[in-house]
Amino acid sequence: DGGITQSPKYLFRKEGQNVTLSCEQNLNHDAMYWYRQDPGQGLRLIYYSQIVNDFQKGDIAEGYSVSREKKESFPLTVTSAQKNPTAFYLCASSQRWGNYEQYFGPGTRLTVT
Amino acid sequence: GESVGLHLPTLSVQEGDNSIINCAYSNSASDYFIWYKQESGKGPQFIIDIRSNMDKRQGQRVTVLLNKTVKHLSLQIAATQPGDSAVYFCAESGAGGSQGNLIFGKGTKLSVKP
Repeated sequence: DGGITQSPKYLFRKEGQNVTLSCEQNLNHDAMYWYRQDPGQGLRLIYYSQIVNDFQKGDIAEGYSVSREKKESFPLTVTSAQKNPTAFYLCASSQRWGNYEQYFGPGTRLTVT
Repeated sequence: GESVGLHLPTLSVQEGDNSIINCAYSNSASDYFIWYKQESGKGPQFIIDIRSNMDKRQGQRVTVLLNKTVKHLSLQIAATQPGDSAVYFCAESGAGGSQGNLIFGKGTKLSVKP
């Protein structure tokens, strides 16, 4: 089946530790995105990548880092510099960057204590 | 500035009735709009999209209406079913340098009463 996967579904970390969230797609999409969702809120863009080996900061990139070394993979690292890392993280991909439908993964719920 | 908002944060409907979820946008330059459905603890699912050169688009049991004059978008769900209970988000494409990035509203929670 084609799709976008995120792992793990739930992640727990201690404050001060970096953590990497996985996102993989086999849709052959050029563009990939990371969003953060807080309770009762919409999605806020963290980083996006229009094409492999390229990525750009979104609206709330501080305390996060990404890489796009392979077309199908776009891992997100939540660093200790992120002040409020506890949230639901969603990865998405689209055929191309631009006005195209984005397909979302199932999400990773990160809890930092 | 750019914003996408919703008129009603919650909507409760009877099973079998039609549902209408509204969304206002502020950027007249946006030319792509999309509706997503998100069930609790899951990622958003695509419902339907529309480009600014259209004012109506229909899918299976859903219709999206775009009124560019008043910058308003609505999602109509016909014969609402319990499985339609979820949070619905509208999103618009960004303008200027952020073109291609979707801007999401906060969402409307739809509750279907049996």
